[in-house]
Amino acid sequence: KQEVTQIPAALSVPEGENLVLNCSFTDSAIYNLQWFRQDPGKGLTSLLLIQSSQREQTSGRLNASLDKSSGRSTLYIAASQPGDSATYLCAVNQAGTALIFGKGTTLSVSS
Amino acid sequence: DVKVTQSSRYLVKRTGEKVFLECVQDMDHENMFWYRQDPGLGLRLIYFSYDVKMKEKGDIPEGYSVSREKKERFSLILESASTNQTSMYLCASSSPTGSGLRRPQHFGDGTRLSIL
Repeated sequence: KQEVTQIPAALSVPEGENLVLNCSFTDSAIYNLQWFRQDPGKGLTSLLLIQSSQREQTSGRLNASLDKSSGRSTLYIAASQPGDSATYLCAVNQAGTALIFGKGTTLSVSS
Repeated sequence: DVKVTQSSRYLVKRTGEKVFLECVQDMDHENMFWYRQDPGLGLRLIYFSYDVKMKEKGDIPEGYSVSREKKERFSLILESASTNQTSMYLCASSSPTGSGLRRPQHFGDGTRLSIL
């Protein structure tokens, strides 16, 4: 059964730092991987989607990479800002429909 | 932009009540999903639907049922609410697959349900 793990569970950094969030999955037979952001008490906002045939996707200060063979993805955030404080979730799409989620990394960026 | 709307942000009900959570999407998506999110357990899939009147059980369907009478609307039903169903409920939708690609899921703002 697919399992998705995110490390670390929590991360605190000062403003301006570049940082990397990690996501690993046990079964490499995935269709795509999606990164989400969740603010406290709110729903999920999709940040980036990487198809299984892709290596990376970029959106503004965010860059997500995918190494399907090793079961790993990273979310790189450049020049972090206090507004980036949130929980970041990764999820894999294995069967073409529902997602399997990690438990998230809670990021705190201090000014 | 895709809009997924959940009818209530906060809901308080009593044990034994029948509870309806409603979700509507405006992008003609075939696929719709209900998840619940709990501290330490993350998001878990309750039910999903890939077409009108079609439904599939997810990982934790016990105590729940769903209804999809129209394409844009997917309802989650707690037949007899219990305190262990206190949770954040999230609805999502996605378009059907095409060209071998899988489309992103779009989420609503969630309903925080408390069962007393």
